[in-house]
Amino acid sequence: GAVVSQHPSWVICKSGTSVKIECRSLDFQATTMFWYRQFPKQSLMLMATSNEGSKATYEQGVEKDKFLINHASLTLSTLTVTSAHPEDSSFYICSATGLAVYNEQFFGPGTRLTVL
Amino acid sequence: QKEVEQDPGPLSVPEGAIVSLNCTYSNSAFQYFMWYRQYSRKGPELLMYTYSSGNKEDGRFTAQVDKSSKYISLFIRDSQPSDSATYLCAMSAAGGQNFVFGPGTRLSVLP
Repeated sequence: GAVVSQHPSWVICKSGTSVKIECRSLDFQATTMFWYRQFPKQSLMLMATSNEGSKATYEQGVEKDKFLINHASLTLSTLTVTSAHPEDSSFYICSATGLAVYNEQFFGPGTRLTVL
Repeated sequence: QKEVEQDPGPLSVPEGAIVSLNCTYSNSAFQYFMWYRQYSRKGPELLMYTYSSGNKEDGRFTAQVDKSSKYISLFIRDSQPSDSATYLCAMSAAGGQNFVFGPGTRLSVLP
């Protein structure tokens, strides 16, 4: 199957700092990438959908100025959590679909963010 | 009514049992159906992908889709402790967008 990577896998930061998470499709061109948030023992919560070269579409209740998403190439999307606070601590997962895998969605391994 | 419903479990079975996981949905436009397995603190892993109605088998896993009943199932034969995970169903209409996920079923296979 197609491979999606995420970096870093775990990040700890101080309150008020910004954190960038990278999501890469390694062996296919990702025309669409999705960003999810997941709290312990809860299901995936879609935060936003980004199409390559376009502005991301955010789900209701997700602050676009706090969670900046960039999808500048067919293999890379980034999520930047700006001015992070302890309540932003969560598991962030990206997924991708695209050319040759149009009707399937492949997930990255996730990034655990801890804000102190 | 939620667009996709799934029994959250948790579901506990003894090793070697046959496991049946199910989802129901309301949108008749869905044509692509997926099952994902998610281990704790890991990203979901695509297990099975089916298009329209019918069955698909891969090793110990069988996916069934009944579009007339808007019901999909994943069967796991000879379940193993390593199958203990959360199983998510997902579906989409044609076009590669608007994937909808079920809330997931937590499965524990006891040795």
